[in-house]
Amino acid sequence: AQSVTQPDIHITVSEGASLELRCNYSYGATPYLFWYVQSPGQGLQLLLKYFSGDTLVQGIKGFEAEFKRSQSSFNLRKPSVHWSDAAEYFCAARGGKLIFGQGTELSVKP
Amino acid sequence: GAVVSQHPSRVICKSGTSVKIECRSLDFQATTMFWYRQFPKQSLMLMATSNEGSKATYEQGVEKDKFLINHASLTLSTLTVTSAHPEDSSFYICSARSGTGRRTDTQYFGPGTRLTVL
Repeated sequence: AQSVTQPDIHITVSEGASLELRCNYSYGATPYLFWYVQSPGQGLQLLLKYFSGDTLVQGIKGFEAEFKRSQSSFNLRKPSVHWSDAAEYFCAARGGKLIFGQGTELSVKP
Repeated sequence: GAVVSQHPSRVICKSGTSVKIECRSLDFQATTMFWYRQFPKQSLMLMATSNEGSKATYEQGVEKDKFLINHASLTLSTLTVTSAHPEDSSFYICSARSGTGRRTDTQYFGPGTRLTVL
């Protein structure tokens, strides 16, 4: 079955530290991949997407993600986290329907 | 990016009443709209997919008679929760996909509607 897994339910990082959020997918073929961010009580905002081509994708707010076919992964990274980055992050994949991972809650320590 | 709006943002109703939630794509035409449900601290679960002018396709386990979806135009879809009960309380999020029909089309999400049934 098609699935998206985010192994980390909750991550806490210090402000200014680097961040990596993990995402693994299980699909028959390489799906289209997305990262969304959700602030409390809000909808989802698209951070970045991967369809094909360069495996390092740049997004908004200083985020980037790297697609690794051999590992079926699409991890999200940011070199220096800001307090305003605290939110819920969802990895998603689309073969036909858009399927979401369980989400990773990011907390940022001052 | 494209903007999707939802109205109302928050609604409280009594058990047994019906509630209608509107979803609009403000600056693009959406041939396909999606409705999701999200429980606290959980991921989004797709409820149904609607195409303009067609009947919605519901996911397994979603009651089509309880969750009525209408996609009357390229910019508007509505979700009506009929005879709402406390277990229907949730965060409902709509999403719209632009109408080029390509697989690379991006889905844009509304801000969500918090439904509380007393």
